Amino acid sequence: SQTIHQWPATLVQPVGSPLSLECTVEGTSNPNLYWYRQAAGRGLQLLFYSVGIGQISSEVPQNLSASRPQDRQFILSSKKLLLSDSGFYLCAWNLGTAGNTIYFGEGSWLTVV
Amino acid sequence: GQQLNQSPQSMFIQEGEDVSMNCTSSSIFNTWLWYKQDPGEGPVLLIALYKAGELTSNGRLTAQFGITRKDSFLNISASIPSDVGIYFCAGQPGNTGKLIFGQGTTLQVKP
Repeated sequence: SQTIHQWPATLVQPVGSPLSLECTVEGTSNPNLYWYRQAAGRGLQLLFYSVGIGQISSEVPQNLSASRPQDRQFILSSKKLLLSDSGFYLCAWNLGTAGNTIYFGEGSWLTVV
Repeated sequence: GQQLNQSPQSMFIQEGEDVSMNCTSSSIFNTWLWYKQDPGEGPVLLIALYKAGELTSNGRLTAQFGITRKDSFLNISASIPSDVGIYFCAGQPGNTGKLIFGQGTTLQVKP
């Protein structure tokens, strides 16, 4: 069966520090990969999605970047965090295109202080 | 851009009551999904809908894909305390794997 894991689960970072969140999917090949952000008490906003190694699409302008160095690895990064980057970050995956549901990781809580 | 309007924003009900929430879109979606999120965890898929008019049940949960393909509802019958959480609708436009999420409905159940 397929599984998705992301880490770290929680982190507190000072403003201006770098960020790296990592996500891996097991049990499948060539998945679509996604990074979502959820601000406290709000819905999920799609940040990045990737349909293959090295292929990254950004949905909203922001202080973050994403990379996909391997087929089942997706990394969310920032060179200098802002206070507004705080939130709950979710990695997700699915296969193919239309009609395939998305499955989420456990989430990572980021607090920028 | 495409948006989903989910309502109500929050509900506080008595255990045993039925619950209904819905989502509407300004454009057509090919897939509608309903997720539940417990605090501090990722959303978990409850029901997936793939055809206009489709009505699908999962235990006490029932969801329908609207005929116009611009709306969907989720019903929970005979609510129990463990139904507490945030429920999200999500729509999949076009032929991409991307999802657009509603703002969520926070459900609280009083024993």
